[in-house]
Amino acid sequence: NAGVTQTPKFRVLKTGQSMTLLCAQDMNHEYMYWYRQDPGMGLRLIHYSVGEGTTAKGEVPDGYNVSRLKKQNFLLGLESAAPSQTSVYFCASSTESGRASDEQFFGPGTRLTVL
Amino acid sequence: GQNIDQPTEMTATEGAIVQINCTYQTSGFNGLFWYQQHAGEAPTFLSYNVLDGLEEKGRFSSFLSRSKGYSYLLLKELQMKDSASYLCAVMDSNYQLIWGAGTKLIIKP
Repeated sequence: NAGVTQTPKFRVLKTGQSMTLLCAQDMNHEYMYWYRQDPGMGLRLIHYSVGEGTTAKGEVPDGYNVSRLKKQNFLLGLESAAPSQTSVYFCASSTESGRASDEQFFGPGTRLTVL
Repeated sequence: GQNIDQPTEMTATEGAIVQINCTYQTSGFNGLFWYQQHAGEAPTFLSYNVLDGLEEKGRFSSFLSRSKGYSYLLLKELQMKDSASYLCAVMDSNYQLIWGAGTKLIIKP
């Protein structure tokens, strides 16, 4: 099993450009998440999904959109990139078993720079 | 507001023991997680505590006191490969994880 994979690993954008980050998991997990990680700050939840066809806003959703058309894929879109969106983006997934103890499995991250 | 506090950086010696503290104030509590994150890599799960007390898993142990809003991660017999950041995260009443900024642990020979 590949676990959680992310594409691309690195990207440089100019202000105003758009892009889509792809996350894929092969563990048949129901829940998927997009986080950003900035120096000196904890992981912050952008959007999440509790199943195919569903999405919900997290702590910092502004400037991002998401889609979960297939259970195994969770896409994060930036419509008009801004320098404040320079960050490392992590995708994660977890099972839906009703247990709060379910750990989240993380992808390797996408390092995005917006100039 | 919700807040997770942990020291920014700690240094310890190979073979020694180190304790990394985490204090939290969150809206509700559904458990506390510790994750390990090596530089440039993804976080990986270490432990989960929801009841007061100590959970031991090999060289790593995690303690929780819900009344004090406090947890610690104890690492024994430190190895160079333990050099990493250790992230404390609390699951709040909405079943979302609130993350601390992480503690960077530096192991010296």
